[in-house]
Amino acid sequence: DAGITQSPRHKVTETGTPVTLRCHQTENHRYMYWYRQDPGHGLRLIHYSYGVKDTDKGEVSDGYSVSRSKTEDFLLTLESATSSQTSVYFCAISESTPGATEAFFGQGTRLTVV
Amino acid sequence: RKEVEQDPGPFNVPEGATVAFNCTYSNSASQSFFWYRQDCRKEPKLLMSVYSSGNEDGRFTAQLNRASQYISLLIRDSKLSDSATYLCVVNSNRGSTLGRLYFGRGTQLTVWP
Repeated sequence: DAGITQSPRHKVTETGTPVTLRCHQTENHRYMYWYRQDPGHGLRLIHYSYGVKDTDKGEVSDGYSVSRSKTEDFLLTLESATSSQTSVYFCAISESTPGATEAFFGQGTRLTVV
Repeated sequence: RKEVEQDPGPFNVPEGATVAFNCTYSNSASQSFFWYRQDCRKEPKLLMSVYSSGNEDGRFTAQLNRASQYISLLIRDSKLSDSATYLCVVNSNRGSTLGRLYFGRGTQLTVWP
């Protein structure tokens, strides 16, 4: 299995509090991604990173920020958690090559905002 | 319009059946194509890449039609263990969308004895 871990795996938090999820990789892959997965929507891209300090927004970035100060770590912050951010969050990593680039996923973080 | 549209199913088939899933993508800059499998409450995992000439891996066959921007997955001789959600994925390797991965909503398959 690819060396990618997410922490925490489960979290319950209150509305209005900030929350940070961590993704750590040992593969030295250039690209890292944060997705959320909800019933009826599938996986939706929140933010992604194509290098240290290089990030870009995905399709559902409002209310989220990210940081990547080291190749191996990609942090996702919910600045002020809302109930609509209750979801399963997946981190993924991939190399960038002109050809096929497989993405490897972490085991996910189940976040509940009450 | 969503980047990747996928036949949602669900598909419920008996063991031994052949089942096909379809997927279309909207970004002609897409360069790499994949099928992922996701078991219940687990992370997605790569099932197979999809090549322009089509490719086969055991009971699984993937096809790509760039002109129609269409991808398919065929599963022959279905097994109980094939029950999962199958995700169509495209990856753009050029332009302003470089590095982005786009996922379909997934097609749920249940194989019954």
